[in-house]
Parts: sequence; C-alpha cells; structure tokens
Amino acid sequence: AQSVTQLDSHVSVSEGTPVLLRCNYSSSYSPSLFWYVQHPNKGLQLLLKYTSAATLVKGINGFEAEFKKSETSFHLTKPSAHMSDAAEYFCVVSGSGGYQKVTFGTGTKLQVIP
Amino acid sequence: SQTIHQWPATLVQPVGSPLSLECTVEGTSNPNLYWYRQAAGRGLQLLFYSVGIGQISSEVPQNLSASRPQDRQFILSSKKLLLSDSGFYLCAWSQGGSGNTIYFGEGSWLTVV
Repeated sequence: AQSVTQLDSHVSVSEGTPVLLRCNYSSSYSPSLFWYVQHPNKGLQLLLKYTSAATLVKGINGFEAEFKKSETSFHLTKPSAHMSDAAEYFCVVSGSGGYQKVTFGTGTKLQVIP
Repeated sequence: SQTIHQWPATLVQPVGSPLSLECTVEGTSNPNLYWYRQAAGRGLQLLFYSVGIGQISSEVPQNLSASRPQDRQFILSSKKLLLSDSGFYLCAWSQGGSGNTIYFGEGSWLTVV
C-alpha cells in the first residue's frame, strides 16, 4: 500500500521569502515521487520528479525537493517566493504495479503576499 | 513531442442529461490513460484508468463510465448526470510501466444544474 500526506493545506509567505511545502509518503516499493503545480482552472503541470537518482531534485521555476528516505519525506522548497508562485501544489507517489498506481496528496495552497 | 487535448473546456448540463468528455493524446503510442475528478476544495480522485484499447478499470462506483475506442482516445460518459457529478475533470496519460511521469490535460469544468 502507499499513501502521501501533505502536512499543510494552506501556506502563506511574503514575496521574496523562502517557500517550504511539506510532504511525507509511505510505499511498499521504491517509490517515484513528483510535485505538480495547479494554477486556478488549469491542469496540473509537473514541477519535478524523483526516481532513485540524485536525492536532491531540481525542477522548474527555481523549485527543488529533497528525497529523505529515513524521514520518508519529499519536501518542496524555493529560496525566494514570487507572486506567480501562488497556486496549489500536489505531492504524488507512484509505486510499481501492473498499471502504475499513483496516489495524490490533498494539495497545499500557496499564498504569496506582496 | 507528446500533447494531450481535452474538450470541452467548460460544460453546463441539466440533471438527467447525458455527458461526453473526450481526450486524445498525440505523439506516443499505447499510453496509460486516466480520468480524474477534482471536486471543489478536495484533492484528485482517480475515476478510471486504461492500459490498452478496450481495457478500462474503475476505481470508484458511480454513474460515470469510460471507453477507449482507439489507442490514444479516452472518453468519459454518463447517461444521466447527477448534481454530485459537478466538478473539474482531468484527463491524463503516462507511458506504460511504473515511475513514469503523468501528464495532464487542461481540464473540463462540468456544472450540473
């Protein structure tokens, strides 16, 4: 079985300050982990992906995430928030299986205050 | 490069009317295909997935159905819509196997009135 928990439903930061969106996962297999971003009324866009290569993964728009197996975490960070980062972010775990079982977190809404 | 198209983008339908949302993928073959629903204030719920033509698996019981008449075409249907079917529907695809990235369409807003 696998699951993913996004620890914060809402995060508010000031423009120019760091962003931290937290994600914990559980998986019976060596998981693949993803972060997606969704702007209002839009589809989901891939930010970054971990698939057992380097534990620190760099994505688009200055985001990065670190895979920590001992903590079963995959937190998303960005050094300096921009107004355009305001969106909803989803952590996703994908395990092995006949069809690629994928589990989404419930999402974290990021608010960026000018 | 691969692209995914989903339509219509928005739809307002009366209760009891039929539904058809269509999704096509270009630039790849034999993809895994998915339909998700995102209700207001909630996460994504997997409705259906397909690993090949005519192979549909349902994750949740509901009055929706899905079909895959061609390799890269995925259709979400209902014979009679309910108010609770309102939401944001997302089609997605991935390569077969595990650990592959899932790519999403732009979504379809369905409002049942």
